[in-house]
Amino acid sequence: AQSVTQLGSHVSVSEGALVLLRCNYSSSVPPYLFWYVQYPNQGLQLLLKYTSAATLVKGINGFEAEFKKSETSFHLTKPSAHMSDAAEYFCAVSAHGGDYKLSFGAGTTVTVRA
Amino acid sequence: NAGVTQTPKFRILKIGQSMTLQCAQDMNHNYMYWYRQDPGMGLKLIYYSVGAGITDKGEVPNGYNVSRSTTEDFPLRLELAAPSQTSVYFCASSYWSRGLENSPLHFGNGTRLTVT
Repeated sequence: AQSVTQLGSHVSVSEGALVLLRCNYSSSVPPYLFWYVQYPNQGLQLLLKYTSAATLVKGINGFEAEFKKSETSFHLTKPSAHMSDAAEYFCAVSAHGGDYKLSFGAGTTVTVRA
Repeated sequence: NAGVTQTPKFRILKIGQSMTLQCAQDMNHNYMYWYRQDPGMGLKLIYYSVGAGITDKGEVPNGYNVSRSTTEDFPLRLELAAPSQTSVYFCASSYWSRGLENSPLHFGNGTRLTVT
């Protein structure tokens, strides 16, 4: 079975500062990992995904994440926060090889201070 | 191209009432899912469907039913509403060929349900 743990339910950053959201996974097989973003009153949108092609994955809106097998982590970063990055972020995992179900973390809410 | 459409956006139910949450997608996706989202809990899978006429339980199916008579529609039925079903419900779809890595989930905007 696969699961993810997001460390920190709330993160507050200043505009222009680094955004770092932490995600650790547990999987008995090689995982596929995803980050989704949810803006207020909307559904989730895919930010980026790791599918074993490259350990450093670039996504939309300047976000990127690095897969570290030794640390079982898939942390999300953005060098410089923008006010529009205020949202809830979810890490998710599915099993390698064609799993059609995602398991989501509890989410991290990001607020950006002017 | 509307994507995944959910109706209604909001609903208040009394305990014991029933209702159907509607979900429709126009992307010809074969897989469809219902999730519920509770604060601090992330999203939990209620039911999913791999094609018309085929459905299966997810992590938290108790108190819900689904059907999939067409590729486009995947309604979620609450028969006897309970306060524990107060939540935000999301429908999602994907075109599964070789796994979610090739066709990520597309989500609707959600239905916010309150049971009092």
